[in-house]
Formats: sequence, structure tokens, C-alpha cells
Amino acid sequence: EVQLLESGGGLVQPGGSLRLSCAASGFTFSSYAMSWVRQAPGKGLEWVSAISGSGGSTYYADSVKGRFTISRDNSKNTLYLQMNSLRAEDTAVYYCAKEVYSNPGGAFDIWGQGTMVTVSS
Amino acid sequence: SYVLTQPPSVSVAPGQTARITCGGNNIGSKSVHWYQQKPGQAPVLVVYDDSDRPSGIPERFSGSNSGNTATLTISRVEAGDEADYYCQVWDSSSDHQGVFGGGTKLTVL
Repeated sequence: EVQLLESGGGLVQPGGSLRLSCAASGFTFSSYAMSWVRQAPGKGLEWVSAISGSGGSTYYADSVKGRFTISRDNSKNTLYLQMNSLRAEDTAVYYCAKEVYSNPGGAFDIWGQGTMVTVSS
Repeated sequence: SYVLTQPPSVSVAPGQTARITCGGNNIGSKSVHWYQQKPGQAPVLVVYDDSDRPSGIPERFSGSNSGNTATLTISRVEAGDEADYYCQVWDSSSDHQGVFGGGTKLTVL
């Protein structure tokens, strides 16, 4: 069964850091691009970042550029999102999503269940 | 940055057809994907590349894309179709970024 399982969410103070993980199973992880998508409470979906299957190409939303870093360990079938200089507006459920191609640019066909990040003092 | 515009809400009676639009500048030149999200759940892909359906998605779900508007059409609407629907594209005009529409709440009357 194809599955994505996020972890690492929690409560963090403004200016703090957090690292999210997404463990993948049931498919050849290195063959597919992956993305992080977030959803603030009661709001719509917002794309955050994407990484190619090889990890050689990364892309970021303007709202997180310079603060967040996406990476992957294909030997561990795991996707990461390092979040620094967190702000209240980063509060959201963070989903990892598998893409249909090896390079970012297609649909998100598999989603994790999400992990909640709350930035508050 | 590229903007996708969806109506906040659409209402339809059971058995009727729902049409949810997604507007964007020359969106017809892009591949549009549609997601369904029910309360407390992760999104589910229902249409990709404008009009293709993933396996397991009923034929009642279809899509089209031309000019400045993409449309998700749900035929013979059922109570279980009530959800939020989001369109999505990739914008490569400046930097390669994913873009979601604001979402449309489909209410089945």
C-alpha cells in the first residue's frame, strides 16, 4: 500500500525552528518528486516547497524562501522540511504529497495525513 | 505570481450537475489538477492534466480547460460529494512554483 506518514509537528515559539519528516512506503521513493503543502486553520491549501526525485532541484514559495529547506534521503525513503525563523503565519497543518513525475510539475496523487505546526508564544 | 480564482461556494441538488470554475490568465496553456477535501481529511486527487481521472475516481467527475477558465464537472451529484474542491497548476513564469486556487465549498442541498 502506498503511504506517506508525516511527523515532527508541534508547538514552537516565534523565531524558533522545527524539522518535519515524511516517511514513504509502497512505491519507489527516489523516482518521484515530492512536495510540502500546508493549510492554515480554516483556510485553503498553500504549496510550500518541492524537490525532484534525485534531490538535485528544489523550489520554494515566496512566503518561505530563505527560511525553509526541503531535502530528502532516498536511502531512508524520507522527505524533510527544515523550518527556521518561524512566524505565527506559518501555523498550519503540513502535508507531504507525492507527485506523479520525477521532476516537480505534475499532480499530487498521494497525500499524507498531515502534521500540525503551531507557532505561538 | 500566478493567481487562480474559484467561487467560494456552489450549491446543487442531488442528481443534478455541479460545475466549479477555476480562472487564471491563459490557464488553457497549463495542466490543471483538481482535489477534493472533506472535513478533517487530506486532499484527494480527482482530476489531473485537465481531464484525466485517477483510478478509483467515479466517471461522474470530469474536467475541461480552455482560454482563461478550467472547469470541474460533477454529474449526478451525491450527498457524499459535499466537500471543498481546489484547482492547482504549476507556474514556471518566474520561479517554478505550485499554485492552488482558493477553494470552492460544494454544498449538496
